Amino acid sequence: DTEVTQTPKHLVMGMTNKKSLKCEQHMGHRAMYWYKQKAKKPPELMFVYSYEKLSINESVPSRFSPECPNSSLLNLHLHALQPEDSALYLCASSQYRDSNNEQFFGPGTRLTVL
Amino acid sequence: GQNIDQPTEMTATEGAIVQINCTYQTSGFNGLFWYQQHAGEAPTFLSYNVLDGLEEKGRFSSFLSRSKGYSYLLLKELQMKDSASYLCAVRDYRGYSTLTFGKGTMLLVSP
Repeated sequence: DTEVTQTPKHLVMGMTNKKSLKCEQHMGHRAMYWYKQKAKKPPELMFVYSYEKLSINESVPSRFSPECPNSSLLNLHLHALQPEDSALYLCASSQYRDSNNEQFFGPGTRLTVL
Repeated sequence: GQNIDQPTEMTATEGAIVQINCTYQTSGFNGLFWYQQHAGEAPTFLSYNVLDGLEEKGRFSSFLSRSKGYSYLLLKELQMKDSASYLCAVRDYRGYSTLTFGKGTMLLVSP
């Protein structure tokens, strides 16, 4: 199984809603990542988890809250988002954070904030 | 920080060869990746270079020159399905490794 899965595929939410994005991998990878990608732009790193601990937070606003319940799961909790947060949110995993292995990406969640 | 530069768009004909260039400036260089991304889909890994030289993988090859801060992705025998965005991504080590993506090159393959 060389797949990273993400749910939901699409999400529409209001600015006062609370929602969560989910990501799962069963490749035994110990590093997991959240990226944000706006249309026609490259993915931008948001968070990195290594061995279920948050190791990198790229100055992301607190309305985005990551959580890593176990080595296979990564969540992104959303609260009080702004319309400019509408984007494709990509989850990725790699064997280790500081290894030469490539990152495997999930299909993404397309988020629209109204 | 990092500065990664790629052409915005390229066009080519089915069956042809195309070379997509990427230049970068970074401290603590620790590898360069090429990813392919079709519209609305996730990036998929194509190649990885950390030492100078050419890596070949079927129709795709990638070259790296660390002294020049330069890489290219070579696609041979182009097919219509190769129409996609090609992302150059540089990993640098600053106590930890992070991957920074270039803006991507949109390749359009025509019949």
